[in-house]
Amino acid sequence: GQQVMQIPQYQHVQEGEDFTTYCNSSTTLSNIQWYKQRPGGHPVFLIQLVKSGEVKKQKRLTFQFGEAKKNSSLHITATQTTEVGTYFCSGGGNTNAGKSTFGDGTTLTVKP
Amino acid sequence: NAGVTQTPKFQVLKTGQSMTLQCAQDMNHEYMSWYRQDPGMGLRLIHYSVGAGITDQGEVPNGYNVSRSTTEDFPLRLLSAAPSQTSVYFCASSTGAGNTIYFGEGSWLTVV
Repeated sequence: GQQVMQIPQYQHVQEGEDFTTYCNSSTTLSNIQWYKQRPGGHPVFLIQLVKSGEVKKQKRLTFQFGEAKKNSSLHITATQTTEVGTYFCSGGGNTNAGKSTFGDGTTLTVKP
Repeated sequence: NAGVTQTPKFQVLKTGQSMTLQCAQDMNHEYMSWYRQDPGMGLRLIHYSVGAGITDQGEVPNGYNVSRSTTEDFPLRLLSAAPSQTSVYFCASSTGAGNTIYFGEGSWLTVV
């Protein structure tokens, strides 16, 4: 079945440093979504990528979808303490069942 | 905007007890699902539904039952609670497979 792997599992950065998390699927995805979960909170949708090679930006966050639609990345430039939390990717499958599969997430901690 | 509403928010059960986690959404979404999240772990799909009257198993269905008699409601039943079911449970809904997922705020369940 479809599997989505996310690395790294944990990342600790100094405030102002950059951060990147990677998401890799064993199969081609119809789309990929990114979610953020603050400590003690629930996952909240950030963005969806659909097209091969697509790049989208939200302020200091840059999201990329690979050309083969099997991998994606989230890059944060100059990380701030407000961005702590766990970032999940979710891949939409190409099968009719189309269940979304979540990666295990990357937990980001930021030292002021 | 209510979105996805889960109750209760916190619950302590004794081993062997049964209970139902309630979930309701007011967005007329066809897809609903239940996830569990263990400390430091990702989201694991328990059961999901693609529409009223239709349910299916996810990755970790054992010990749980669901039903979907209406579009709005998707309760999760724990048949005989076990300490291994101590977790945070998230109900979620979306308009369709691979589309944006909206999560409830979570239900913290402890089984002693």
